[in-house]
Parts: sequence; structure tokens; C-alpha cells
Amino acid sequence: DAGITQSPRYKITETGRQVTLMCHQTWSHSYMFWYRQDLGHGLRLIYYSAAADITDKGEVPDGYVVSRSKTENFPLTLESATRSQTSVYFCASSERTGVPYEQYFGPGTRLTVT
Amino acid sequence: DAKTTQPTSMDCAEGRAANLPCNHSTISGNEYVYWYRQIHSQGPQYIIHGLKNNETNEMASLIITEDRKSSTLILPHATLRDTAVYYCIVRVNAGGTSYGKLTFGQGTILTVHP
Repeated sequence: DAGITQSPRYKITETGRQVTLMCHQTWSHSYMFWYRQDLGHGLRLIYYSAAADITDKGEVPDGYVVSRSKTENFPLTLESATRSQTSVYFCASSERTGVPYEQYFGPGTRLTVT
Repeated sequence: DAKTTQPTSMDCAEGRAANLPCNHSTISGNEYVYWYRQIHSQGPQYIIHGLKNNETNEMASLIITEDRKSSTLILPHATLRDTAVYYCIVRVNAGGTSYGKLTFGQGTILTVHP
């Protein structure tokens, strides 16, 4: 189906484990984003990517790694998960730059680190 | 980016117009006003954006005051499915490899009652 998808939708992992959250979009949008949403903090930007092989840090990048080898995929890896990374993670994509643009969000991944 | 102020919560009767205010008194001339909403357990959804003129699309209308220091999102005939958190965001355009970060505040919880 066309759109932006995230997998898994729910994940429970243990402290210290590596976990990768997947994001896939079918629009060939140039820009992709990872946000986390926590009570009391709203959505905060973790990393973003302007194109394949171009990534940059957002507000809260520590403890996360991203890659973008293909335009349509933007995986987010927690190299050694901590309890503070328990959150809901949203991926988003956007087509345009230089003009007002909208971001399209995926359904989210709820991650629990025990 | 300019800071926005929204009421914490609002109620609306089904079938009536929902008018959601947003103050952005420090907005700059090149900053746009965006509205997104987030229905429970879903990713945020773009609604509408504007710069100076009032805007209307199939979802809503956006009224921006002449001095641009405030705006109102209007859902003309609210339904139960419009119950969500509504975010008013003010940000600058971005071009090239830079981007315009979306800063989500706490938003307004709109509850539509039968």
C-alpha cells in the first residue's frame, strides 16, 4: 500500500540490547524524520535526512544511529537501549524543500525498554 | 521559530463549528503558520498552513489576523472523529539541504461531544 509504514508497531526489549525501528515510504520523498513522543515533552526530533546518504542530528540524537542507503527507507537504531528510551517513535517524510511543506507521519512504534 | 500559545483544552458539540485559537505574537514576516492534529494512538496529521491570507481546504479553514500575531483554525462541522490534540506550529521555510524543523508544543485537546 502507498504511504509511510513503520515496523514493528510494538516492541519490548531489555536494557543494553540493540534494537532497530524500520520506516518505509512509497512516495520517494526526499526528506525523512524520526521523532519521539513522551508525556510532558510533545514530539521531539531525533534525526532527519535530506536525501539518501545525507543525515543530520535533531534535538535529541544521543543514543541513536540512523542510516539512509535507499530513499524509501530510514531505519533508526538504538545501539544499547536504555529505559529512558521507552517512548513512542514516529517516522515522517516530506516531499518538498524551499516551499511550505507538510510532513506525513507513520503510525508509530511503541517501544518499551525493561 | 516563533513560540505559540494555545488553550490546553476545548469542547465542542457535534455538528457545530470548532474554533481553535493560537497566539504567535513574535512571529516573523517569513514564518508560516501550520496546523497538525494527532488522534489518539496515531501519528500527527497535517491539516492546513498559511502565511498571510486566510486559507481553506477540505478539512478546515485558517484565519490569520492582519497583524499575524494570532490565528484560528476552524472545523466547520465537527464530528466525533475530530476529537484530537491540535497543534499550532510556526516555522520558517527551508531550502537546500537545510530544513524547517516542526516544533510541536503541547497543543489543544479538542473533545467533540455527541
